Parts: sequence; C-alpha cells; structure tokens
Amino acid sequence: EDQVTQSPEALRLQEGESSSLNCSYTVSGLRGLFWYRQDPGKGPEFLFTLYSAGEEKEKERLKATLTKKESFLHITAPKPEDSATYLCAVQAATGRRALTFGSGTRLQVQP
Amino acid sequence: GAGVSQTPSNKVTEKGKYVELRCDPISGHTALYWYRQSLGQGPEFLIYFQGTGAADDSGLPNDRFFAVRPEGSVSTLKIQRTERGDSAVYLCASSLGGTGADTQYFGPGTRLTVL
Repeated sequence: EDQVTQSPEALRLQEGESSSLNCSYTVSGLRGLFWYRQDPGKGPEFLFTLYSAGEEKEKERLKATLTKKESFLHITAPKPEDSATYLCAVQAATGRRALTFGSGTRLQVQP
Repeated sequence: GAGVSQTPSNKVTEKGKYVELRCDPISGHTALYWYRQSLGQGPEFLIYFQGTGAADDSGLPNDRFFAVRPEGSVSTLKIQRTERGDSAVYLCASSLGGTGADTQYFGPGTRLTVL
C-alpha cells in the first residue's frame, strides 16, 4: 500500500527565515511525486512534479528535491504570503492514476 | 483559460437525503478525478474517469456513492441516504490523461455538511 508521511505537521517561521518541509514515501514504483499548495477554503494548487531521484525544481522562493525515499520542499527567505498548507502526493507506476496524499504541513510565516 | 469548476460551493443537507455534486473539468482534459478531504487531512481518492468510463472506482466507500460522466466532460458525484460521516470537502481534479505522470489540477471543492 502506498504511503506518504509529511513532517512537521505545522511550522511557524519569521519572515526571511529559511526552512525545509519533509515528505517521506513508500510506493510500488514511482511514476511521479507532486507538491501542491492549499490555502484555506480553496482547492490544492499545483507547484511541482518530480519523476526520479536527484531531480530538483525551483519556483520563486521554493525548491523541491527528490531521493528514493523522500522529498524536501525548501523555502528560502519566506514571506507572509507563503503561509499555506503544503501537500505532497505520489502516483504509483502500477497503472493506478490516483494520487496518495500526505496530511500536509501547515506553514505560517510571520512578518 | 478557465480552471476546474465545481457547484455548489456549499451544500447543507439532512441525514438520509440525496445530494448531487457537479464538476466541470478543464476543456480538453480527458481524465477526471474525485477526492474527499476531511479537516486536517490530505485528499483521499474516490474515483477516476478516463473519457466516459469509470476506470478506477476503488476509493468509493460504499454503494451509496456513485459518479457519472456521460459525455466525457462534466461529471456528477451522487450520494444517496447521506450520513453525518459524509460531511467533508469533495474535490474534483482533471488532467490531460497521458501515459506519464500528468498533472492533476483541482477545483475549489464543494463543502458538504450533513446535519
């Protein structure tokens, strides 16, 4: 059974204080690992797809990395508008298209 | 272009009633997904359509839940004899439906409250 565990559950940062969110996964062959951002009352917003170990992707203050067992979302010099829940999900290579999500990390960036 | 839309945004119903939730996918997307999200949790998969057919309905919790996509575009999730435990946000997503890890784009969700 595919599993995704995210840590920490919640993180409070000061503006400009860089940090990393962790996503540990077990999957029967990885088709892709996805990062989403979710604001309160909204649907998940796509950020990145990673396909294989060693891959990295960047967007503004966010950088996602992938190993064979985990992914990290690095946030550099965060701003208050980066406050949101960040969700990690995996899609198995078995042919099943469903995403398996973690419970998310709630990030709060204080000015 | 327009994203995934869902209606209604909120639905309050009484225990035992029937409800329908609608999803309009992104134009040109052949794959459509339904997920359910409880407070403080990530979305949980319910059902996946490729075109008009349900390719994977393994996430539907029981036979009170049913979904259709008759013309390969709009989809309706139907819940019979609602129970208080059905209260959650129901999310719809669509994707191009390619063979690789194609990205699923989510709608805003329908918040269902069963009293």
